[in-house]
Amino acid sequence: GAGVSQTPSNKVTEKGKYVELRCDPISGHTALYWYRQSLGQGPEFLIYFQGTGAADDSGLPNDRFFAVRPEGSVSTLKIQRTERGDSAVYLCASSFDRVRNEQFFGPGTRLTVL
Amino acid sequence: GENVEQHPSTLSVQEGDSAVIKCTYSDSASNYFPWYKQELGKGPQLIIDIRSNVGEKKDQRIAVTLNKTAKHFSLHITETQPEDSAVYFCAAQDWGSQGNLIFGKGTKLSVKP
Repeated sequence: GAGVSQTPSNKVTEKGKYVELRCDPISGHTALYWYRQSLGQGPEFLIYFQGTGAADDSGLPNDRFFAVRPEGSVSTLKIQRTERGDSAVYLCASSFDRVRNEQFFGPGTRLTVL
Repeated sequence: GENVEQHPSTLSVQEGDSAVIKCTYSDSASNYFPWYKQELGKGPQLIIDIRSNVGEKKDQRIAVTLNKTAKHFSLHITETQPEDSAVYFCAAQDWGSQGNLIFGKGTKLSVKP
């Protein structure tokens, strides 16, 4: 079946602008995760959804970052008042559930803040 | 919280040789250890994983070993091929942090033909 998809693949924005990044998980996966990956680093956890609710948002760096998953499938990561330090690859992953935690990643969205 | 250290940061081998990447973790509550392969411009791909009730797992040319006492686990790739060239990440599921995956910093593997 189809894997995790993310759109857009690349996003260039100006400092101070608002951006939305979309993730479409594997069908049937109830758990969804957002990560951020800086150059030369491993993925860094941002937020985890179980169904529609954000079960753990402890990785969000500040209140400019917010994510939703209103129907328990597609998720959107929203970044307000973007800063140059937000530039990174934003990865989405999904797993069947928290116990069967084999996480499958999407291709990522490369965000560049000028 | 959990801390995962990964070594080496770069590894160059000749085609056909074996490659070994090692990781250590700090939290004894961690019980799930996946390995990911990431090619340039792509997302991480799960290649093998191991749970703490198993000491070793093998899938064709790839194997992972886990030493719970020493808190380290290793990825072994035998008969390396140029297409194995990529960045490899280890991770540990940290149940002390609500079960989030904590990743190492990665190992860039280059397989020379």
